[in-house]
Amino acid sequence: DGGITQSPKYLFRKEGQNVTLSCEQNLNHDAMYWYRQDPGQGLRLIYYSQIVNDFQKGDIAEGYSVSREKKESFPLTVTSAQKNPTAFYLCASSIGGVGKPDTQYFGPGTRLTVL
Amino acid sequence: AQSVTQPDIHITVSEGASLELRCNYSYGATPYLFWYVQSPGQGLQLLLKYFSGDTLVQGIKGFEAEFKRSQSSFNLRKPSVHWSDAAEYFCAVGGIFSGTYKYIFGTGTRLKVLA
Repeated sequence: DGGITQSPKYLFRKEGQNVTLSCEQNLNHDAMYWYRQDPGQGLRLIYYSQIVNDFQKGDIAEGYSVSREKKESFPLTVTSAQKNPTAFYLCASSIGGVGKPDTQYFGPGTRLTVL
Repeated sequence: AQSVTQPDIHITVSEGASLELRCNYSYGATPYLFWYVQSPGQGLQLLLKYFSGDTLVQGIKGFEAEFKRSQSSFNLRKPSVHWSDAAEYFCAVGGIFSGTYKYIFGTGTRLKVLA
């Protein structure tokens, strides 16, 4: 089955720790995205990548970092600099290409809780 | 500034009743429009999309949406709601923002279905 997997489903972090959320896709998509979801605020873009070895900051990138070393993988690190990291994190992918009609497909999400 | 507005935070309907969820957008060019559905603790599932052509689009699970350029709207409809439709619904606009193809999401409408 083709799709997007995210792991872990639940993640707990202590104050001051960095944690990494995994996102893998086998859809052969070029573009991948990370969103943060908070109640009543919809989805906000953290980082996105249109191609391997390239990524750009989204609207709320502060306190987060990413890498895109492989086409299939786009891990997100939540650093200790992110002051309010408790949220639901969603990874998405799309075929990619600037200016082309495109549909995003989403993973099942990771819920991060700071203890 | 580009935006997506879902004016109804919560909607309650009886099973078997008709449903309309509102979505208004602000975008200078022709947008690519999407509706997604999210069950609690899950990722987003694509219901339908509009890129061009017929302004009435059909989606999965018996949903349809109509693009009205003059009203900058893309409302989601279903003639007869089932209890399993209870979920949160998100409208999204895809387009060129700051030179890159990205997506803007509304804040969502939570649907409750009464038996």
